[in-house]
Amino acid sequence: SQTIHQWPATLVQPVGSPLSLECTVEGTSNPNLYWYRQAAGRGLQLLFYSVGIGQISSEVPQNLSASRPQDRQFILSSKKLLLSDSGFYLCAWKTSGISSEQYFGPGTRLTVT
Amino acid sequence: SQQGEEDPQALSIQEGENATMNCSYKTSINNLQWYRQNSGRGLVHLILIRSNEREKHSGRLRVTLDTSKKSSSLLITASRAADTASYFCATDQKHNFNKFYFGSGTKLNVKP
Repeated sequence: SQTIHQWPATLVQPVGSPLSLECTVEGTSNPNLYWYRQAAGRGLQLLFYSVGIGQISSEVPQNLSASRPQDRQFILSSKKLLLSDSGFYLCAWKTSGISSEQYFGPGTRLTVT
Repeated sequence: SQQGEEDPQALSIQEGENATMNCSYKTSINNLQWYRQNSGRGLVHLILIRSNEREKHSGRLRVTLDTSKKSSSLLITASRAADTASYFCATDQKHNFNKFYFGSGTKLNVKP
């Protein structure tokens, strides 16, 4: 069966520090991968998605970037964090194809101080 | 632009009652999905309904889709305290089934 991992679960970082969040998927090949951010009490905002290695689509101009160095690895990064980067970051995957479900990881709670 | 929007924003019911949540969206879709999120956790996939389907069931869940009104509803029958969570709908777009848009969710509280 497929599983998705995210780490760390929680992170407290000072303003101006770098960020690296990692997401890996097991049990599937060539998944579509996604990064979302959720503000407190709100819905999910799509940040990036990838349909293959090295292929990244950015949805919202911001202080973040994403990379997909391996088929089942998706990394969210920032060179210098802002206070507004605080939030709950969720990674998700789905198989390619028009009607497939999207599955989420446990999330990372980021607090920028 | 944002696709799915849920209604109501919050719903409080007694255990055993039914809970109905609605989702409206703006543009043509291929699929609509419903998710549950317990506080501080990741999202759990509940059900996917295709644009050519009108109704789908899974256990105590019933989802309907009306593409002419661009709306969907999620019905949870015989609710339990464990159903307390936020519920989100997510839509893709007809021309891009790889992108998903989420609403702000309905916060359901089931009182024991």
